[in-house]
Amino acid sequence: AQSVTQPDIHITVSEGASLELRCNYSYGATPYLFWYVQSPGQGLQLLLKYFSGDTLVQGIKGFEAEFKRSQSSFNLRKPSVHWSDAAEYFCAVSGNDYKLSFGAGTTVTVRA
Amino acid sequence: NAGVTQTPKFQVLKTGQSMTLQCAQDMNHNSMYWYRQDPGMGLRLIYYSASEGTTDKGEVPNGYNVSRLNKREFSLRLESAAPSQTSVYFCASRARVNDSPLHFGNGTRLTVT
Repeated sequence: AQSVTQPDIHITVSEGASLELRCNYSYGATPYLFWYVQSPGQGLQLLLKYFSGDTLVQGIKGFEAEFKRSQSSFNLRKPSVHWSDAAEYFCAVSGNDYKLSFGAGTTVTVRA
Repeated sequence: NAGVTQTPKFQVLKTGQSMTLQCAQDMNHNSMYWYRQDPGMGLRLIYYSASEGTTDKGEVPNGYNVSRLNKREFSLRLESAAPSQTSVYFCASRARVNDSPLHFGNGTRLTVT
């Protein structure tokens, strides 16, 4: 069965600074990987996904993520954060079944 | 295009009461899911339906039942609510296995007293 670990529970970053959120997955074969964002009181919105091919994937809102098979990681980055990026971020993995497993999430606080 | 619609948005139950959470999607997706979200635990899968007519248990199915009424609708029932079921519940759907993302509803906040 697949699983996801997000090591950072909470990150605080200054507006305009860069952001990196860590994600490590466990799965025996090539995984399907996703990053979602959740604003307070809202559902989850897909930021980006990785299935195969180029290991650097671009998403919405200026986010990108890099798949590193050797490290079993799929870290999310943004070069310059905006106050509106304050939210909770979830990494998720899907294997060759119908289930999608989520990490515990990382809360991002943006300070002015 | 409404996407995934959940009702109700909020609900308060007393211990032992029953209720059904409703979910409908208008994207013609085959698979539908119910997750619960609790602080520090991310989203945990309760039940899913790979296609119309099938349902399967996820990680935390105890105390819940589901019905895939048709391709559009997937309901979650709590027969005898317990305080441990206080949570935010999300319904989601996806078009295909593996490479298609989940599309989420806006959630139902349930409190059991």
